[in-house]
Amino acid sequence: GENVEQHPSTLSVQEGDSAVIKCTYSDSASNYFPWYKQELGKRPQLIIDIRSNVGEKKDQRIAVTLNKTAKHFSLHITETQPEDSAVYFCAAPSGGGADGLTFGKGTHLIIQP
Amino acid sequence: NAGVTQTPKFQVLKTGQSMTLQCAQDMNHNSMYWYRQDPGMGLRLIYYSASEGTTDKGEVPNGYNVSRLNKREFSLRLESAAPSQTSVYFCASTLAYSTNEQFFGPGTRLTVL
Repeated sequence: GENVEQHPSTLSVQEGDSAVIKCTYSDSASNYFPWYKQELGKRPQLIIDIRSNVGEKKDQRIAVTLNKTAKHFSLHITETQPEDSAVYFCAAPSGGGADGLTFGKGTHLIIQP
Repeated sequence: NAGVTQTPKFQVLKTGQSMTLQCAQDMNHNSMYWYRQDPGMGLRLIYYSASEGTTDKGEVPNGYNVSRLNKREFSLRLESAAPSQTSVYFCASTLAYSTNEQFFGPGTRLTVL
């Protein structure tokens, strides 16, 4: 099955600066990489995803990059705002014949005013 | 549309008691999932149902059973609760397979004493 590693576990940045969260995966057959945002006490919500046939995807201040050779993908948030404070999770398909997602352990992003 | 709903929101059990967590979706999705979330551990897949009438084990199935009652509903049962099952439980659904956006329910916070 898939193994997903996520770094860092906590990231503190000044408001207006950029934030980068990195994930690595183990299964070279994985072809879909979503990022979820979870605010305190709330459910995870998809913010962006990327498929293995593209190297980068952008949506306003959020972008995701994928390096299939190195088996890693990253979330980039530019011009950070207070409402970006949350826990972010990367994921990949569980693989091994199983449906479902394997998640990283999460990054707590703190935006300092 | 309500999306994905879960009941109850909170539950306290004593060791050895049983209970069923309910999940329903109104998006005509084929695939449904149960995850548990523990501090610092991300979300881990317990069981999934790729389509009505089928269920399969995920990463952490021990101590749980599931039923896909119909296309809308997917329940999770704890037959004899243990303190190690104290967690937040999320149900999720997707149109088909894990390579599409998963929509999460609001979660059930379970404490086993």
